[in-house]
Amino acid sequence: DTAVSQTPKYLVTQMGNDKSIKCEQNLGHDTMYWYKQDSKKFLKIMFSYNNKELIINETVPNRFSPKSPDKAHLNLHINSLELGDSAVYFCASSHTTGVGGKLFFGSGTQLSVL
Amino acid sequence: EDQVTQSPEALRLQEGESSSLNCSYTVSGLRGLFWYRQDPGKGPEFLFTLYSAGEEKEKERLKATLTKKESFLHITAPKPEDSATYLCAVQAVNNNDMRFGAGTRLTVKP
Repeated sequence: DTAVSQTPKYLVTQMGNDKSIKCEQNLGHDTMYWYKQDSKKFLKIMFSYNNKELIINETVPNRFSPKSPDKAHLNLHINSLELGDSAVYFCASSHTTGVGGKLFFGSGTQLSVL
Repeated sequence: EDQVTQSPEALRLQEGESSSLNCSYTVSGLRGLFWYRQDPGKGPEFLFTLYSAGEEKEKERLKATLTKKESFLHITAPKPEDSATYLCAVQAVNNNDMRFGAGTRLTVKP
């Protein structure tokens, strides 16, 4: 049983397209996150949701829109994809917001924008 | 602004050759410092949390230590399966975010 699962694993698309990445966790956690890992391997937080409420929204283009239908799911929709959006996107979850730092990560979605 | 700097960027060791990875940080009030391991094509996997200077945590061949300015991840008698990228992250008391360093890519040769 995968604790945090995200799909797809690989996503290759053309500039200007709209795409979504889905994430689900079966750990019963109440906080979920989206992180972006660039080519230099820096992991940067994009969004955080606690019980379906947005609590962290870093400076990312508004082309990126997270959606949390319930506390086990956090999807990421990206409009009008650009070359610079190419990166690996990780979904993560934790038991309680800001406590312990023990994040459980998905295996990542490698997005390539051509 | 909170900052995390890891060194070296890459480290190659022979099996059994002990060494240390460094994580220097600047944060306005440390809530916690975290170590993660990341294998190629996978998400980071939690290793340790350290909360205050002087604290140490151990797991198998790994030992993490913390001072007010830096953390070390000591690897004793490493094995090839310890090869991975090791990430350090800090969380400030006034922030729900975790700031990650760029990682140290460790390769252990048999």
